[in-house]
This record gives sequence, structure tokens and C-alpha cells, in this order.
Amino acid sequence: GQQLNQSPQSMFIQEGEDVSMNCTSSSIFNTWLWYKQDPGEGPVLLIALYKAGELTSNGRLTAQFGITRKDSFLNISASIPSDVGIYFCAGRNSGYALNFGKGTSLLVTP
Amino acid sequence: GAGVSQSPSNKVTEKGKDVELRCDPISGHTALYWYRQRLGQGLEFLIYFQGNSAPDKSGLPSDRFSAERTGESVSTLTIQRTQQEDSAVYLCASSHRTPNSGFYEQYFGPGTRLTVT
Repeated sequence: GQQLNQSPQSMFIQEGEDVSMNCTSSSIFNTWLWYKQDPGEGPVLLIALYKAGELTSNGRLTAQFGITRKDSFLNISASIPSDVGIYFCAGRNSGYALNFGKGTSLLVTP
Repeated sequence: GAGVSQSPSNKVTEKGKDVELRCDPISGHTALYWYRQRLGQGLEFLIYFQGNSAPDKSGLPSDRFSAERTGESVSTLTIQRTQQEDSAVYLCASSHRTPNSGFYEQYFGPGTRLTVT
């Protein structure tokens, strides 16, 4: 599959701070997805983006589909302890195949 | 409703033994996927089933890996003659096709953590 570069690899922040992470690809995608994975669990879909330039929010989470179709970012505002986990980006061209980034590990201290 | 379930949640096996992992998809989901997640890594696609069509096995890493699915229900992933590099979390996902947009997003099970000693 195509390689996605996700950064940062890890973040250690204080409760209440905003968080930003991004994902880039050498190839274009038609869909960008953001998942969160808690320890011992499978990834849970947070936000799905289907159009270049699209900006979508889900509560305190906001994600954007880059204009070039080769990147996406995820922002979390006013972080709370339960935001702890690993966040994965995934891209899809057509059909079903998803290409995943290596994840951003988020730690939030009270 | 019930999500994707997988069993066992953990499996420890000796090198050279065969293992079988099970996935129960969300009821009504026609598509089923298997992924492998090595420690600290993203998800690697293994195999995809869609209805009665021939599965896409392009992600299977070797001929020791195989998977079956009966209709649109349970799937089993079998690893023969396990090796230590097979140690990973094996995740199953299922999806259906939305009639309006044509897109179908994947919902994951909790995974099976396989340790080969």
C-alpha cells in the first residue's frame, strides 16, 4: 500500500491545551479518515472527509481534507484526559482499501 | 447494536503451531476485512471479502496465511506453522455500502493479540 507520513509520532500535553496532528501522502486520496485507538481496543472512526478542502467537526475535533488531496490534519481543542490514545489517519483512493499512517500517540496530563 | 466481535482476545502459541482467529462482523455488513497491527505500527491490510465475490488476498504476507468466510457471516483467519514475526494484533473490520454516497466505512473489532513464543 501507499505510505502515509503521520506526525508528530507522539505528543505530551496538559489538559486544556489544543492539539494538532497531520498526515501527508505522496499520492492523492479521494477519502481521508481519522481513527482513535484506545489500549486493547480496535480503532474507532472519528471523522470522515470526502472532498478536497472539506472541513468537518465532531465535537471538539476538527479535520480538514487538504486541497492537494495529499494531506489532512486533525485538531483537538481543549483537550481532556479521555483524549489519551493513538490517533491514526487513513486514506483511500477508490473501492475499499485503506492505507494507514503509523499513528500519533497522545498523552494528556491533568 | 452489537459491534464486530473477535475471539480469542489473546492467544499465545508455540512457534510452528497453527492458529485460528475468528471474526463476527456487524449483522448486515457485506464486507469484511482483516488487518495486522505490529507493535507501534499502523494497520496492514491482509484480506477483503465482499459478499459472494472472490476475496482480495493481495495483502496476505505468505502462503502460511489463509482466511475463509461463509456467506456474509463469520470469518476465520488461519496462520499455519506460526513464526515469531507473526506476533501482532490481528484486527477484523466490517462495513456495508451506503446507498446514497456509495462510500462504506469500516468498523473495527477489538482485535486478537497473538504472541508466538
